[in-house]
Order: sequence, then structure tokens, then C-alpha cells
Amino acid sequence: DAGITQSPRHKVTETGTPVTLRCHQTENHRYMYWYRQDPGHGLRLIHYSYGVKDTDKGEVSDGYSVSRSKTEDFLLTLESATSSQTSVYFCAISATLLLSGNTIYFGEGSWLTVV
Amino acid sequence: KQEVTQIPAALSVPEGENLVLNCSFTDSAIYNLQWFRQDPGKGLTSLLLIQSSQREQTSGRLNASLDKSSGRSTLYIAASQPGDSATYLCAVNNNAGNMLTFGGGTRLMVKP
Repeated sequence: DAGITQSPRHKVTETGTPVTLRCHQTENHRYMYWYRQDPGHGLRLIHYSYGVKDTDKGEVSDGYSVSRSKTEDFLLTLESATSSQTSVYFCAISATLLLSGNTIYFGEGSWLTVV
Repeated sequence: KQEVTQIPAALSVPEGENLVLNCSFTDSAIYNLQWFRQDPGKGLTSLLLIQSSQREQTSGRLNASLDKSSGRSTLYIAASQPGDSATYLCAVNNNAGNMLTFGGGTRLMVKP
């Protein structure tokens, strides 16, 4: 298994509170991603990073921000959580751009419930 | 905008059957297509990746084919086993950038 650790694995929070999810990798991969998985929508990319302090938006980035201050850590922040952000969040990593065909590895997921 | 569809959404078969899972995509300008497996409560594991210039890839009892011009891929599982029970997702990487577009998945149950 790829060395990806997500924390927390489960969280219940109230509407309007800030939430930060952490992804930690031990593979020294350049690219890191945050996806969310919802019934009926599959997995959708929120943000990704292509290096320290280098990030880009994905398909569903509104309401989310990210930061990468070290190669091994990629943080996803919900500034003010809403019920529509109740989801399962997956971190993923890859050594190269996805178009090159290298494997992408996923973490175990973080279950977030906003009440 | 790329859209990926997987049919059926769920499938139940007896052990030992050969089966085919289907994936279709709307934009044929893809770099590659991947098939993933997801067990309940777990992350995704990559099974097979087909580059746009390839027609198929094989790994053990799994064979994935790609027909880029028609926007279709199939995952063939031979001699299915109860341990194959999981959700199978396909995803394409296209010219939109460093992003995978996923289908909704097919939930497979193989009964002993």
C-alpha cells in the first residue's frame, strides 16, 4: 500500500465551522489531489498540487481552499462548512502527471458530516 | 465537458461466471483510461490503465479494452470469485488537464 495517511478519518461538525483535513504521504510524490465522493456523482476533483506552494483548482473547488507547505503534506480546508459538503474526501498522490500513465494512489478516505 | 457513464450500476452473478463491465465517455480526446476497484469503506486501487494508443491491457483474470473512437471501454473478469465483490470504477484523463473524470461505478456481487 502507498504510504498515504488521512486525518481525521471521521468527523462530525456544525454548519459554519471551519474544518481542515490533512493528507500525509511518505512516497515523496510530486502531485497530490483532493477528491470528494458522493452518491450519483462519483469522484470529483476539488484541488490538486504540483509542488510545494503550487496548487490548482479542480472541478468543484468553490468553498474549499488548500495548502501545501511541505512535499509530504496537503491540507484541505472548508472555511465555513455547509451541509452540501457532507461527503467522503479522498486524498491521492502520483509521481508524475496523470497523462503519462503512472499509477495514482488513493488514501482510505475521510468521512465528513456537517450538521 | 467530459462525462463518464457506467452501466449497470449494480450486478449480481454466481461464482465462476465470466462477466463484462461497461464504461462510456463522451469526449474521445483522452490520454488514458483506468479501471479501479473500491472495497466498502476503503480507497480506490488501480487495476488496469490503458493509454490512448493501446487497445487492451491484461492482468491475471482481468482484461480491459478501449475503443477510443466510439468512447467505450470494457472490463472483462474471467471466472469470477466472491473476492471480486466490490465497486468497479472507470476514469478517463483527457485534455482538461491533470484530472481524472470518474464514472459512477458498478457495484459487483459474486455469490458463492
